[in-house]
Amino acid sequence: GDSVTQMEGPVTLSEEAFLTINCTYTATGYPSLFWYVQYPGEGLQLLLKATKADDKGSNKGFEATYRKETTSFHLEKGSVQVSDSAVYFCALRGQGGSEKLVFGKGTKLTVNP
Amino acid sequence: ETGVTQTPRHLVMGMTNKKSLKCEQHLGHNAMYWYKQSAKKPLELMFVYNFKEQTENNSVPSRFSPECPNSSHLFLHLHTLQPEDSALYLCASSQVGAAGAVHEQFFGPGTRLTVL
Repeated sequence: GDSVTQMEGPVTLSEEAFLTINCTYTATGYPSLFWYVQYPGEGLQLLLKATKADDKGSNKGFEATYRKETTSFHLEKGSVQVSDSAVYFCALRGQGGSEKLVFGKGTKLTVNP
Repeated sequence: ETGVTQTPRHLVMGMTNKKSLKCEQHLGHNAMYWYKQSAKKPLELMFVYNFKEQTENNSVPSRFSPECPNSSHLFLHLHTLQPEDSALYLCASSQVGAAGAVHEQFFGPGTRLTVL
């Protein structure tokens, strides 16, 4: 079945550091890929998405590129802020517009001033 | 504020209690979901309702009983739960198109459930 593997956390960075959170997936065909973010005490919010190979999703300074050849969708940000401290989830939705999202375990990011 | 509200935000219950979680979406969506978020485990999809019809039950124990009276409201009825059911229960909604195309899911803040 479909699955998502993302790097184990927690990740601790200083403000303005570069961030990479790795995400790889297993799925047939061409799934849609997502990054969700969960701030403390809140539900998940969609951060960015990509629906086909080589698409780049971007939002709030975060970027991720859908790489079919490496089945990856790594999240990057050039300069993190304290307010980026949260848990980040990589997810996929199978080809064909299935309702079901498959999530990774989440990576907790803490940014120190 | 995502347009999906959940009540209560926190719930403590004994194993013999019966309680219900409520979710309401104000986005005009036609699909709603229940997820379970446990520590150190991936987010687990429990139930999916599409146009008020249950389209997925992800092998959830019968002590969890969902109800979707209309496309804006979703309930999760709980009875005789176990301590291992303690988790954050998240509700989400999305719009499913006529051709089956599904748009992003919007999540509520969750109900933190503790079973004693």
